Amino acid sequence: EVQLVESGGGLVQPGGSLKLSCAASGFTFSDSPMHWVRQASGKGLEWVGRIRTRANNYATIYAASVKGRFTISRDDSKNTAYLQLNNLKTEDTAIYYCSAPIAVTGISGIYWGQGKLVTVSS
Amino acid sequence: DIQMTQSPSSLSASVGDRVTITCRASQDISNYLAWFQQKPGKAPKSLIYAASTLQSGVPSKFSGGGSGTYFTLTISSLQPEDFATYYCQQYNSDPRTFGQGTKLEIK
Repeated sequence: EVQLVESGGGLVQPGGSLKLSCAASGFTFSDSPMHWVRQASGKGLEWVGRIRTRANNYATIYAASVKGRFTISRDDSKNTAYLQLNNLKTEDTAIYYCSAPIAVTGISGIYWGQGKLVTVSS
Repeated sequence: DIQMTQSPSSLSASVGDRVTITCRASQDISNYLAWFQQKPGKAPKSLIYAASTLQSGVPSKFSGGGSGTYFTLTISSLQPEDFATYYCQQYNSDPRTFGQGTKLEIK
């Protein structure tokens, strides 16, 4: 069974930092790009960014709203993706989801973690 | 960036109805489109990818169609558990973009 489990959310002051983790199981993690998506309370889904696989040089790209402040990384030996959030603003308050597109017969599709709440407030 | 526009933004329907939600892209995205369902307080759930391919485990009452710039999600024989918010997302190019969502409510 494909599973994505996020950890690391919480309350942080404006200007602070936080690191989210997304632990994957049930598929070959190293073969899948990993995405992060967020959702502010009562709002729609906003794509944050993604990291590609080793075969694609672990290339990253970010939404304009977080570029230069957020960093996505991965550790294939730990089957885990990370989202480092720096210089946080109140408008970054949201639930953060990791997501993985999988192209394997029988389980192909897009999978989501359960989400982690990040609250930026003084 | 590619803009994704869903319509309607909200929709009232009755149990047993068949409904269709549309999603338009601001430029050609081929069939690189996914549909998600989200219930209050829950993570999104994937329904369809590649515009019309049902994700494993998703019932066949959900169907997707379209290509290029115009896409549809049809839900047949609505049941109480189908009332939720639905989002489309293009993955033809980065940044990936979502539609604003369609809230499906019970009439």
